[in-house]
Amino acid sequence: AQSVTQLGSHVSVSEGALVLLRCNYSSSVPPYLFWYVQYPNQGLQLLLKYTSAATLVKGINGFEAEFKKSETSFHLTKPSAHMSDAAEYFCAVSEGNTGGFKTIFGAGTRLFVKA
Amino acid sequence: GAGVSQSPSNKVTEKGKDVELRCDPISGHTALYWYRQRLGQGLEFLIYFQGNSAPDKSGLPSDRFSAERTGESVSTLTIQRTQQEDSAVYLCASSLATGGEQYFGPGTRLTVT
Repeated sequence: AQSVTQLGSHVSVSEGALVLLRCNYSSSVPPYLFWYVQYPNQGLQLLLKYTSAATLVKGINGFEAEFKKSETSFHLTKPSAHMSDAAEYFCAVSEGNTGGFKTIFGAGTRLFVKA
Repeated sequence: GAGVSQSPSNKVTEKGKDVELRCDPISGHTALYWYRQRLGQGLEFLIYFQGNSAPDKSGLPSDRFSAERTGESVSTLTIQRTQQEDSAVYLCASSLATGGEQYFGPGTRLTVT
């Protein structure tokens, strides 16, 4: 069965600083991996996804994530934080077609951006 | 095209009552998911429907919870004999099976008093 661990329930960065949100997963088959974002008082929306193509995935709003099989990681990064990036970020894993697309979400990391 | 819609947006109920939550997925999406999000916590998988296959009910927390889906359209999540710990936002999402990306509805905020 798949699982997801997000390291750090809260991350605080200064505006313009690097954003790094950590995600480790476990899966018995090659996984599909996702990052979703939940802005205050809004619904969840997809940031980016990995589905066995390029290991470096680019998403919306300047975010990207790298799939590292050896480390079972899928960390989310952005070179320069903006105030509008303050939100809650969720990493998710699915076992894709093999596992029927059941998706497990991590507990979430709340990103704070300081001026 | 319309996104995923959920109703009601808010529901306040007394402990012990039954509630029914509705989800209308995006037309053509064969997969439908229900999640629970307690205040300040992550998403907890409840149940997953895929086409005409038997649903994956492995996330339902107790036999008070059940869900149905009519074909590839509307789904209802029913909670019987509600308890205070059922208070949460219940989220529905749908996806194309081959893509895996899920599109979320706005959620139903359930408060059990």
